[in-house]
Amino acid sequence: TQLLEQSPQFLSIQEGENLTVYCNSSSVFSSLQWYRQEPGEGPVLLVTVVTGGEVKKLKRLTFQFGDARKDSSLHITAAQPGDTGLYLCAGEGRDDKIIFGKGTRLHILP
Amino acid sequence: NAGVTQTPKFQVLKTGQSMTLQCAQDMNHEYMSWYRQDPGMGLRLIHYSVGAGITDQGEVPNGYNVSRSTTEDFPLRLLSAAPSQTSVYFCASSFGQGHQSYGYTFGSGTRLTVV
Repeated sequence: TQLLEQSPQFLSIQEGENLTVYCNSSSVFSSLQWYRQEPGEGPVLLVTVVTGGEVKKLKRLTFQFGDARKDSSLHITAAQPGDTGLYLCAGEGRDDKIIFGKGTRLHILP
Repeated sequence: NAGVTQTPKFQVLKTGQSMTLQCAQDMNHEYMSWYRQDPGMGLRLIHYSVGAGITDQGEVPNGYNVSRSTTEDFPLRLLSAAPSQTSVYFCASSFGQGHQSYGYTFGSGTRLTVV
């Protein structure tokens, strides 16, 4: 069974700080996606990475796909209260199904 | 606005009752799926469809039925509700499955409580 482990589970930091959250697996994924989910809403796609070593930037968010396509990271620079939410990674598995990690719950304190 | 529409937003059922959760998308997406989200368990795939007339089981299909008679609609039926089905249910759609998908569009969810 392919699994995606996200760490940390919870993170609470002050506004303006930088942070990195991780998504790791022992399996290779052909692509990986990051979503943000706010309370009472469905997840919203942030980015899809498909090439090993790929780096994508979305304003203050930087996403990296590991060279071996087994892991990914999300780095946020100068976090803002609007970044608060549940961050989910999702990988495309062997049978083309998308597998979700359990998420990192991020809280940015003003 | 284009997107995935789920109804109802909230529902309380008694054990043994049946109901249908509705999902509709207006983006002409071929792939649609249903997930349940539980604390500590993440999102788990219940059923999915790669096109009208085609459905398949996901990770946790027991107790649920689906059908796909049109591209737009993908209802989820609970046959005989049980407390273990208390959860938040999300419908998602995409242009294709897996590497063709470019990501899912999710509905805003249905919060179901079975008492």
